[in-house]
Amino acid sequence: GQNIDQPTEMTATEGAIVQINCTYQTSGFNGLFWYQQHAGEAPTFLSYNVLDGLEEKGRFSSFLSRSKGYSYLLLKELQMKDSASYLCAVSNSGNTPLVFGKGTRLSVIA
Amino acid sequence: DTEVTQTPKHLVMGMTNKKSLKCEQHMGHRAMYWYKQKAKKPPELMFVYSYEKLSINESVPSRFSPECPNSSLLNLHLHALQPEDSALYLCASSQLQREGLADTQYFGPGTRLTVL
Repeated sequence: GQNIDQPTEMTATEGAIVQINCTYQTSGFNGLFWYQQHAGEAPTFLSYNVLDGLEEKGRFSSFLSRSKGYSYLLLKELQMKDSASYLCAVSNSGNTPLVFGKGTRLSVIA
Repeated sequence: DTEVTQTPKHLVMGMTNKKSLKCEQHMGHRAMYWYKQKAKKPPELMFVYSYEKLSINESVPSRFSPECPNSSLLNLHLHALQPEDSALYLCASSQLQREGLADTQYFGPGTRLTVL
């Protein structure tokens, strides 16, 4: 079976750092994706991790530990426009190309 | 260019209507996808086309009928829908990596469908 868990909601302050965690259990593993989705808009690709470690891309970083089935998305210097849902998605060797978690709704407050 | 376009942006239809959603990409991607997304839920996969052939149908009701006329276009034909089919319909495309490698999917802006 496949299971992806991430917190439902988080709130953080403008200018701060926030870490959104994702744990997964899946048969076969080809990589983990993070997408950002603003309300009513399409998901946009943020990052892809297939090897253990940290991938940094500007204010956003993503970490993966395959042995622990764990990833996090780190957002630094938060801005109001970062208020969105963040979707963790796993690619595995099964039939479904991407399995999405339920998403974490992040609210950035002043 | 990572653009996937979808038309229309909004669609309101009655339960007896027939309508179509359209999706287009010019990135040379060989896989295209239809997802359905309800409010505050993740995208739910409906169909996958690989090399213009239907490769995955996630037990979607026959009132949804996909079509892939060529490698750049993907349609979703709608007929006799129910109010609970109201949702955001997302199209995505990906390069189609070889087995064992993950595919980054790029999403279109979606069609907001309301069934009355």
